[in-house]
Amino acid sequence: RKEVEQDPGPFNVPEGATVAFNCTYSNSASQSFFWYRQDCRKEPKLLMSVYSSGNEDGRFTAQLNRASQYISLLIRDSKLSDSATYLCVVNEYGNKLVFGAGTILRVKS
Amino acid sequence: EAGVTQFPSHSVIEKGQTVTLRCDPISGHDNLYWYRRVMGKEIKFLLHFVKESKQDESGMPNNRFLAERTGGTYSTLKVQPAELEDSGVYFCASSQGTGELFFGEGSRLTVL
Repeated sequence: RKEVEQDPGPFNVPEGATVAFNCTYSNSASQSFFWYRQDCRKEPKLLMSVYSSGNEDGRFTAQLNRASQYISLLIRDSKLSDSATYLCVVNEYGNKLVFGAGTILRVKS
Repeated sequence: EAGVTQFPSHSVIEKGQTVTLRCDPISGHDNLYWYRRVMGKEIKFLLHFVKESKQDESGMPNNRFLAERTGGTYSTLKVQPAELEDSGVYFCASSQGTGELFFGEGSRLTVL
């Protein structure tokens, strides 16, 4: 079983749509959680951290459920520029990040 | 301010040859990490330096890989001898303490 599991997609959505990604992780001792964004042939970049209380940054909302070991990302009002691979990332300890394989999002006009 | 820089951006070598990848972290970042993504797989941790010391090298695949960070500034990752399964993208990242990791654009290695 993979340590961090994500649906690879691709998710093909029209502009303006709302799309949700989910992720599960296996190590219950994991300390912190993130969503990263990676554009084609580029480096991963931090999109947002994820907290149990839920957090929002503009059109993006992230949520963590520690009991279920489940992380989600919601994107509202999708833009063409949101097209990318979204990586679910778990910090097991000391910044040793464990990455999911990523979910591909394609936003079309 | 310059970000994390990696060199070369792409290297093509034959099986059995040696390649050395270089990473320059963001100035002042004591923590430096190497990760890699092999074809079709997720990005995986290789090792972590704090200044010049190896804090965690649990992800290094085998003894053909040697990472150094002499003087605690830039780091090198040498693969000797390279095998076909070493092909992939090698990412370097740096951080201030346990803060956000900033990644370089990666060095793409192709072993023929």
